[in-house]
Amino acid sequence: GAVVSQHPSRVICKSGTSVKIECRSLDFQATTMFWYRQFPKQSLMLMATSNEGSKATYEQGVEKDKFLINHASLTLSTLTVTSAHPEDSSFYICSARDAQGARTGELFFGEGSRLTVL
Amino acid sequence: GDSVTQMEGPVTLSEEAFLTINCTYTATGYPSLFWYVQYPGEGLQLLLKATKADDKGSNKGFEATYRKETTSFHLEKGSVQVSDSAVYFCALSDNTGNQFYFGTGTSLTVIP
Repeated sequence: GAVVSQHPSRVICKSGTSVKIECRSLDFQATTMFWYRQFPKQSLMLMATSNEGSKATYEQGVEKDKFLINHASLTLSTLTVTSAHPEDSSFYICSARDAQGARTGELFFGEGSRLTVL
Repeated sequence: GDSVTQMEGPVTLSEEAFLTINCTYTATGYPSLFWYVQYPGEGLQLLLKATKADDKGSNKGFEATYRKETTSFHLEKGSVQVSDSAVYFCALSDNTGNQFYFGTGTSLTVIP
């Protein structure tokens, strides 16, 4: 199946710094990518939908100025957690839909990025 | 709106036991249904899918049948292994392909 790669898989940063997480579709073009946040032992929470060449669509309650999303190309979306604080520590997962799979809506997921803010 | 309701866990089974994880859905139109699996510390992987009523998805010994009459997509495996220990998510994609909904996830632990 299609491959989505996320980087870094783990990152530890100091409070107040910014962290960038990359999500790449390796063997297909993704006009739409999704960013999720997952708390321990909980389900996925959709944060935003990233659209290539346009602004991301954020879910209610997600601070767009804190979680900056850029989808500059058909294979890359980035999530930047700005001025990170300990409460931002979480597992962040991206996903993408292959245009070929659009009818079935199948999503392909990255490996996830665990952010720890000290 | 569309939604997915999944059996709550955690579920603990002995090796070779039979597994059922219930999943029901609410949707307008004809959604596609999925089961994803998340192993510890990893992202989600597609386990199986079904795109229309009466379809059966299967993979690695797991099966689920898309039942429109009962709006269900229960996950089953006849004989679980320790390596099946993971969190399982039932999911739905609406018929436009634009929206994706996840269940809350069910944690499965298989003990030797």
